[in-house]
Amino acid sequence: DAGVIQSPRHEVTEMGQEVTLRCKPISGHDYLFWYRQTMMRGLELLIYFNNNVPIDDSGMPEDRFSAKMPNASFSTLKIQPSEPRDSAVYFCASRGPSRDGYTFGSGTRLTVV
Amino acid sequence: GQQVMQIPQYQHVQEGEDFTTYCNSSTTLSNIQWYKQRPGGHPVFLIQLVKSGEVKKQKRLTFQFGEAKKNSSLHITATQTTDVGTYFCAGHPTTSGTYKYIFGTGTRLKVLA
Repeated sequence: DAGVIQSPRHEVTEMGQEVTLRCKPISGHDYLFWYRQTMMRGLELLIYFNNNVPIDDSGMPEDRFSAKMPNASFSTLKIQPSEPRDSAVYFCASRGPSRDGYTFGSGTRLTVV
Repeated sequence: GQQVMQIPQYQHVQEGEDFTTYCNSSTTLSNIQWYKQRPGGHPVFLIQLVKSGEVKKQKRLTFQFGEAKKNSSLHITATQTTDVGTYFCAGHPTTSGTYKYIFGTGTRLKVLA
């Protein structure tokens, strides 16, 4: 199993541009989570899905952020328009029926200039 | 709101010394998980504790869950340079109606050879 796959690994974009982050969870995992990590705020849960359905999006900072999970093997996190304060590492994680810990992807390091 | 704090925030130890990080929740937890994140890497699941007073060991690592299920600790015996990284606890509040875990603030461990 290749684990949770995120793309791109690094993204540098200009303020105001749209950014799309992608995630492929582990096959068979029914929960998918999007986290943001910064030095100041640590690991913050943005949104999570169960069986492709968004369950809790209370951590999504504002309307500029949106997330979708059109099928069990793919999810996107979109920021439109992006701002410098969105600069962070964004992690996707999935969790399976065994209900052990999360498996995190390698993350996307986003820099908005 | 619900919070999970970890102390210390940073710890520098000489190789061979022991290390302990403590995790304290403002609310009772149904279970707690521990993760390790190497510098530049992503969080990796170490273990999950479920029962009050539970103690689990993984080689040089000992994990404890408090009797009141509001605190936990991770102890590393005879640290090695490979133990360098940030250790996070993640708690699931018993009152949570959702499936989200609250990550602690993390303890960054540096091991000096």
